[in-house]
Amino acid sequence: EAGVTQFPSHSVIEKGQTVTLRCDPISGHDNLYWYRRVMGKEIKFLLHFVKESKQDESGMPNNRFLAERTGGTYSTLKVQPAELEDSGVYFCASSLHQGVSDEQYFGPGTRLTVT
Amino acid sequence: AQSVTQLGSHVSVSEGALVLLRCNYSSSVPPYLFWYVQYPNQGLQLLLKYTSAATLVKGINGFEAEFKKSETSFHLTKPSAHMSDAAEYFCAVIYSGGYQKVTFGTGTKLQVIP
Repeated sequence: EAGVTQFPSHSVIEKGQTVTLRCDPISGHDNLYWYRRVMGKEIKFLLHFVKESKQDESGMPNNRFLAERTGGTYSTLKVQPAELEDSGVYFCASSLHQGVSDEQYFGPGTRLTVT
Repeated sequence: AQSVTQLGSHVSVSEGALVLLRCNYSSSVPPYLFWYVQYPNQGLQLLLKYTSAATLVKGINGFEAEFKKSETSFHLTKPSAHMSDAAEYFCAVIYSGGYQKVTFGTGTKLQVIP
């Protein structure tokens, strides 16, 4: 069974440009999460999808970030326009159910560098 | 704000020595607690979790953690370090009412010296 995949693995863009990150969850997992780790700091929650609906987007830093999950399968996270402080590693995770004890399976992350 | 603290961003142990990675949480209500591990170029992998059952939790690869309410701690241990244990370890919590919103610590990089 394939795990959570993320694309690209690395992205280097200039300040002001747009970048779109993609996450493919484990097949059948209705719950999809985005997290971000800024260098040297903790991994922070961004948002949670249940199928195509946003369950919780309280962690989204500002309106330059747009997450979508059309059709309830893969998700994209767009940053437009990118700023220097957006650099970091963006993780995606998925889980079958929403229960606290339901394991979230993480992807390898996308390392975003904004110059 | 509720948080989780990991003491030591880098820990070095000799191969065969005890591994002890510290984690403390801030809450009067015991949360759900987890340890994740990230090997180089891989995603986070769940090592173990505490969900209010037994206070001593056993995980994969010989790791275990003990929930101590009086100390608000959930330290991760392994009796004998192996070279393959070199990785970054994250303590994480889900607080009551937080559904699946995971709060992570800053991570501890474990180096195993041969």
